[in-house]
Amino acid sequence: KQEVTQIPAALSVPEGENLVLNCSFTDSAIYNLQWFRQDPGKGLTSLLLIQSSQREQTSGRLNASLDKSSGRSTLYIAASQPGDSATYLCAVPNTGGFKTIFGAGTRLFVKA
Amino acid sequence: KAGVTQTPRYLIKTRGQQVTLSCSPISGHRSVSWYQQTPGQGLQFLFEYFSETQRNKGNFPGRFSGRQFSNSRSEMNVSTLELGDSALYLCASSLTLSNTGELFFGEGSRLTVL
Repeated sequence: KQEVTQIPAALSVPEGENLVLNCSFTDSAIYNLQWFRQDPGKGLTSLLLIQSSQREQTSGRLNASLDKSSGRSTLYIAASQPGDSATYLCAVPNTGGFKTIFGAGTRLFVKA
Repeated sequence: KAGVTQTPRYLIKTRGQQVTLSCSPISGHRSVSWYQQTPGQGLQFLFEYFSETQRNKGNFPGRFSGRQFSNSRSEMNVSTLELGDSALYLCASSLTLSNTGELFFGEGSRLTVL
């Protein structure tokens, strides 16, 4: 059974800082891993999708890496801005079925 | 192109009532999956529909049901509402089955049960 853990649960940083969010999963037999952003009371916005054959994906100031063998993914945010404040979730398809398992998220606050 | 559309966005019901939520996926997407999000339990999978067939179901009681129409639009229904059903209900669409494709979420339907 797939389990997904995100560390830290919350993070507060000053504007301009580079930061790393972590996601770990227990079963490495995955199709892909997806990172999302969620603003309070809103839906999830897809940030990056990494296929299992890929090592990393980049979009603007975001870079996500994937290490299947160790069951880990990281989301790197460069030069953080107050607008980056949100909850970031990683999602991993469950190999035992068709559903996707989500981590509990990392709540990020970027101070101006 | 239009994103995932969920209606209604907000609704208030009382215990014992039933509710129907709607989700229109991105054009061309055949998979719709539903999730319940609460502060205590996070995002929990309800069920997924692909080409009008339920492909998988989460650990929710039979009061939670869904269906998908030929145009890929999906509805979920919760009968005999309980206070604990208060949550943000999110649907996601995907071009292929959700475990292989990229998920795109709607804004959600926030249900409050009084």
